[in-house]
Amino acid sequence: NAGVTQTPKFQVLKTGQSMTLQCAQDMNHNSMYWYRQDPGMGLRLIYYSASEGTTDKGEVPNGYNVSRLNKREFSLRLESAAPSQTSVYFCASSVKNGYTFGSGTRLTVV
Amino acid sequence: SQQGEEDPQALSIQEGENATMNCSYKTSINNLQWYRQNSGRGLVHLILIRSNEREKHSGRLRVTLDTSKKSSSLLITASRAADTASYFCATDDDAGKSTFGDGTTLTVKP
Repeated sequence: NAGVTQTPKFQVLKTGQSMTLQCAQDMNHNSMYWYRQDPGMGLRLIYYSASEGTTDKGEVPNGYNVSRLNKREFSLRLESAAPSQTSVYFCASSVKNGYTFGSGTRLTVV
Repeated sequence: SQQGEEDPQALSIQEGENATMNCSYKTSINNLQWYRQNSGRGLVHLILIRSNEREKHSGRLRVTLDTSKKSSSLLITASRAADTASYFCATDDDAGKSTFGDGTTLTVKP
């Protein structure tokens, strides 16, 4: 019963560095999402994938790219990290009755 | 801007008391969902209420939905210290994407 697994849990990057956040789900869900959560705030949608092979921009896509590698995996890439991207990143997958979230990746860009 | 807005931002009560949180939203919805987030963790789905439902129960949770007022409330009865968490409402659009509010932080004092 792994659910949604995100790696890494913590990461510190220097400004301009790149990295990829990994997400995998084992529930055979079609839809997957990447959100960011800033202190004291709710989640804002970065990108989502309604099904394998499709991706769409959310509310705050600038500075990010995604890949829906297969039905299980949905990765988020920061090509050139900026301090404004310091946040906690959550991956989620869903069917009709609600999202299942990963435990988050705490990213700090210095 | 966020679709859902929770009220109050913070709530502090004694164990055994009831806690009520409200959520208002702006546009028409298919579903409304409530989530809980413990400190440093991902969100956990609590309950979903559909746009044609007015009230739903799950254990000590009671959710109401008033589509005419574009609002929902979450009532936690007989609160426990373990209920201390942030609570978020999320509204679903036609594509199934959820938009989250900024949350209510609930503290239950033993």
